[in-house]
Amino acid sequence: GAVVSQHPSWVICKSGTSVKIECRSLDFQATTMFWYRQFPKQSLMLMATSNEGSKATYEQGVEKDKFLINHASLTLSTLTVTSAHPEDSSFYICSAHAGTSGRAGQFFGPGTRLTVL
Amino acid sequence: RKEVEQDPGPFNVPEGATVAFNCTYSNSASQSFFWYRQDCRKEPKLLMSVYSSGNEDGRFTAQLNRASQYISLLIRDSKLSDSATYLCVVPYTGKLIFGQGTTLQVKP
Repeated sequence: GAVVSQHPSWVICKSGTSVKIECRSLDFQATTMFWYRQFPKQSLMLMATSNEGSKATYEQGVEKDKFLINHASLTLSTLTVTSAHPEDSSFYICSAHAGTSGRAGQFFGPGTRLTVL
Repeated sequence: RKEVEQDPGPFNVPEGATVAFNCTYSNSASQSFFWYRQDCRKEPKLLMSVYSSGNEDGRFTAQLNRASQYISLLIRDSKLSDSATYLCVVPYTGKLIFGQGTTLQVKP
């Protein structure tokens, strides 16, 4: 149980376009999902916390107008990178929190590799 | 000081060796800790949880030293398949704070 999927697994786009990434919890409901970004040889950096039915909470330094998050249902959160630029090229990973505890119940999606030309 | 710090390595060890990684954390109130394994271009996967003084699972042993605020991961009898990056993770205010990761390369 506790499977999280992401789509697409990789995407290449031109500079200035917008890219939408989906994160789905397949066999459980997730009131909270997290979006991370990982640059080469660096650790995961939390971008935002996505809460079902309410606005996302963004980490300091993350532009909410550039990284639009929508968590419209208990099994789906989307991250849209608007007007993508080459510096947005990164590995984007979501995780979904299962259960009421804030500890071990985070399950990661397989990630989406974004390359902006 | 970073919230979670790790030596990035890489640690290059021969098969069968015992290797240990350390991780220090800054929040003395943290109660639980995790080691995740991340393979190249893949998502992190939970390896071990540490809630008290330590945890052991086969060849892997995690130990917690609250006084010094560090967690260690010991891998015995290293296998080639253990080659990966090991991430130290500390929950804080409902979020997971990741260390930079320690890269392990096990050589034949």
